[in-house]
Amino acid sequence: EVQLVESGGALVQPGGSLRLSCAASGFTFSRYWMSWVGQIPGKGLVWISQTNPDGTAPGYADSVKGRFTISRDNTKNTLYLQMTSLRAEDTAIYYCARGGLLYSNDFWGQGTLVTVSS
Amino acid sequence: QSALTQPPSASGSPGQSVTISCTGTSTDVGGHNSVSWYQQHPGQAPKLMIYEVSKRPSGVPDRFSASKSGNTASLTVSGLQAEDEADYYCSSYAGSNNYVFGTGTKVTVL
Repeated sequence: EVQLVESGGALVQPGGSLRLSCAASGFTFSRYWMSWVGQIPGKGLVWISQTNPDGTAPGYADSVKGRFTISRDNTKNTLYLQMTSLRAEDTAIYYCARGGLLYSNDFWGQGTLVTVSS
Repeated sequence: QSALTQPPSASGSPGQSVTISCTGTSTDVGGHNSVSWYQQHPGQAPKLMIYEVSKRPSGVPDRFSASKSGNTASLTVSGLQAEDEADYYCSSYAGSNNYVFGTGTKVTVL
């Protein structure tokens, strides 16, 4: 059974940093693209970042480019999102998702909440 | 990276059909056959319902169908059931390793 379990969400002050993790199981992690998708509670989904299977081709939304870094450890079956220079508008639930066929996301974790506030 | 445009809401009675549109540009929806649709119930993670414009993953009822014409994609839910009441989001590859989601549509079963 495919499982994605996010962790690392917390309350952080503006300008602070945080690292999210996504532990994957039930599939060969190293063969899949992986993504982070954000959602302000009660609002829509926003694509944040994605990476290819070996982590060499990351992509970022303009809103996080230069502040967030996606990475992965295929030996630990874990996806990461390093978040720096956090802003109030980064407050959201962050979902980890597995890349499916033709740019879809076929499995999602339950999300981890990041709150940026003083 | 502007969000794809969806109507905020749609509704139908049990057994009826509802169609949701998803309008983008030639850079995203119109330029790639990579439109996906997701269903999200309150408090839950999104679930993939459609990929590659019109294909259903295993386990998704055939009441869900989708298509694309030009810069607009559409999702149709036929034979509406109570459990179809949820938020629905489209998404598309937008080139240059970018993706974009739709604004979301709340489907209500009357």
